[in-house]
Amino acid sequence: DQQVKQNSPSLSVQEGRISILNCDYTNSMFDYFLWYKKYPAEGPTFLISISSIKDKNEDGRFTVFLNKSAKHLSLHIVPSQPGDSAVYFCAATTYAQGAQKLVFGQGTRLTINP
Amino acid sequence: EPEVTQTPSHQVTQMGQEVILRCVPISNHLYFYWYRQILGQKVEFLVSFYNNEISEKSEIFDDQFSVERPDGSNFTLKIRSTKLEDSAMYFCASSPPRGLHGRQFFGPGTRLTVL
Repeated sequence: DQQVKQNSPSLSVQEGRISILNCDYTNSMFDYFLWYKKYPAEGPTFLISISSIKDKNEDGRFTVFLNKSAKHLSLHIVPSQPGDSAVYFCAATTYAQGAQKLVFGQGTRLTINP
Repeated sequence: EPEVTQTPSHQVTQMGQEVILRCVPISNHLYFYWYRQILGQKVEFLVSFYNNEISEKSEIFDDQFSVERPDGSNFTLKIRSTKLEDSAMYFCASSPPRGLHGRQFFGPGTRLTVL
């Protein structure tokens, strides 16, 4: 039951260039989509999120785009920096009262080359 | 910034033994979660907890697993009789009363190794 999929296990980008990470989902009931960053031996760290009623959200170097008709979202990082090297997880949730689980994709390992 | 903490950072146990993983969520949060990540795989939801009861659990969370909030600050995950396939990173997470667009705050994880 892969409701959230990240089809690229890895991505290598030159420092200063744009990194684009992609994510697809199947459940049209998802209300929020989130990106988390994870370093080895650490927990996931929240990066940015987007509501299903929006198509873009920007926070500094990070921008998330949502295409609901295609059930696709992407994370753009520009300019990419060496400290951005990590595993990036796309996650989705149906927001309602109470505790709502996050459904994660498989992750994309981003490597920024100096 | 407040953080979710977890202890121990690494737990090694023999198959069939009971383990208790401990978490201290952020103090004003009301919703608590356990997730796990088997090496190289995605982060998987195990259970959510609110108002001293389980809100939702996944098919992974069978009768060998239980959760408890024993004292108003700690949140524990117990595995009664560990199996080799329980070896994974276990992450505790919490979220605040009004939510932050689904955002959950994760602890650093406990690496469980079952021998």
